[in-house]
Amino acid sequence: EPEVTQTPSHQVTQMGQEVILRCVPISNHLYFYWYRQILGQKVEFLVSFYNNEISEKSEIFDDQFSVERPDGSNFTLKIRSTKLEDSAMYFCANSQGENTEAFFGQGTRLTVV
Amino acid sequence: AQSVTQPDIHITVSEGASLELRCNYSYGATPYLFWYVQSPGQGLQLLLKYFSGDTLVQGIKGFEAEFKRSQSSFNLRKPSVHWSDAAEYFCAVAPREYGNKLVFGAGTILRVKS
Repeated sequence: EPEVTQTPSHQVTQMGQEVILRCVPISNHLYFYWYRQILGQKVEFLVSFYNNEISEKSEIFDDQFSVERPDGSNFTLKIRSTKLEDSAMYFCANSQGENTEAFFGQGTRLTVV
Repeated sequence: AQSVTQPDIHITVSEGASLELRCNYSYGATPYLFWYVQSPGQGLQLLLKYFSGDTLVQGIKGFEAEFKRSQSSFNLRKPSVHWSDAAEYFCAVAPREYGNKLVFGAGTILRVKS
């Protein structure tokens, strides 16, 4: 089965620091997504990205967040100045089309201290 | 606003017993419907999905789900549970105009006792 790989699996950062979460997508799967799950809460949609543009974003995805494909391959989520409430599991997902199956990575657990 | 309710936080079943996980959704029109499973340390794996057509959907690992429009439900079933099915199960919906903007339920943790 196709696999989405996320790095790191766990990151601890100081409040106010910038973090970058990385995702290696599946070849030829051109739609990208980030979701997050705060401990004990639901998995929430953050953003979708296609053709080097954000196509949808949620209210959570404010100016502190950004996404890009810096090298045309990896897909990243940057949080500019982390807050305690950013602590969560962040999932990258990837699909071939807009309405085809999204494959999820194993997640990055971000802990802000 | 769209919402998904999974009323059971935890369920414990004996190995070999049947399983039903409940899911209800609130949405203006019939959305796309999904069930995902997450094992510890793993990502979310798609078990099955409903887009249209036959309301009884077959998925991987012997799971099936039935869409009932009148009840706004999409319950997941398996006739005989295996110990390896122990995991967390998430029901999700997505609008038809954007099928991968998923709204998830809170999840149901399945424990299997031998």
